Amino acid sequence: DVVMTQSPLSLPVTLGQPASISCRSSQSLVYSDGNTFLNWFQQRPGQSPRRLIYEVSNRDSGVPDRFSGSGSGTDFTLKISRVEAEDVGVYYCLQGTHWPYTFGQGTKLEIK
Amino acid sequence: EVQLVESGGGLVQPGGSLRLSCAASGFTFRSYAMHWVRQAPGKGLEYVSAISSNGGGTFYANSVKGRFTISRDNSKNTLYLQMGSLRAEDMAVYYCARGGIVGTRSQGDYWGQGTLVTVSS
Repeated sequence: DVVMTQSPLSLPVTLGQPASISCRSSQSLVYSDGNTFLNWFQQRPGQSPRRLIYEVSNRDSGVPDRFSGSGSGTDFTLKISRVEAEDVGVYYCLQGTHWPYTFGQGTKLEIK
Repeated sequence: EVQLVESGGGLVQPGGSLRLSCAASGFTFRSYAMHWVRQAPGKGLEYVSAISSNGGGTFYANSVKGRFTISRDNSKNTLYLQMGSLRAEDMAVYYCARGGIVGTRSQGDYWGQGTLVTVSS
């Protein structure tokens, strides 16, 4: 199985400051059609996961533009330009290129 | 509005069986792959199973292969997960999530609220 490794696992951030989460895969996530199926999810306390980013860098509908995704191959990043209080929760990367799809361990974002 | 509503969770003894359902609305169910994802208490997310739009393709995590069966009834807009030989490590909230429309590949643009499966004697 593809192993997804996130860092950091805990991310204390001051309101209004930027935040960045790294996600590395144990093998390339480029699919046979040339697309890269790397997603980012947010899970707020007590809620279901919500997808923020698909195919590395595409924001889902309704996702604030302070969230952005980048990367290629095996190395990916989620960035929040200015953290707001509503961003508190756990963030997961998910690879959807190789079955079984696999998540990273999760990064817990909290306000300092 | 896309809605996914899981049901069927509950308390089951080790070795027992349970069938989860996910009722879908607000989109053309028969055109989309569907997925099951679980989350053990206080833990991360784990993909369990996936099924193609017409039910012809099914996929399972190694941890549930041979014990769980995914299926769908496109006439009822409903996804199922038949769970057997349940173990303590299967205890989790089970979410259904929408996959990609026919011809595309997508993971989890919509999720249900989840249903809790507790495995205990």
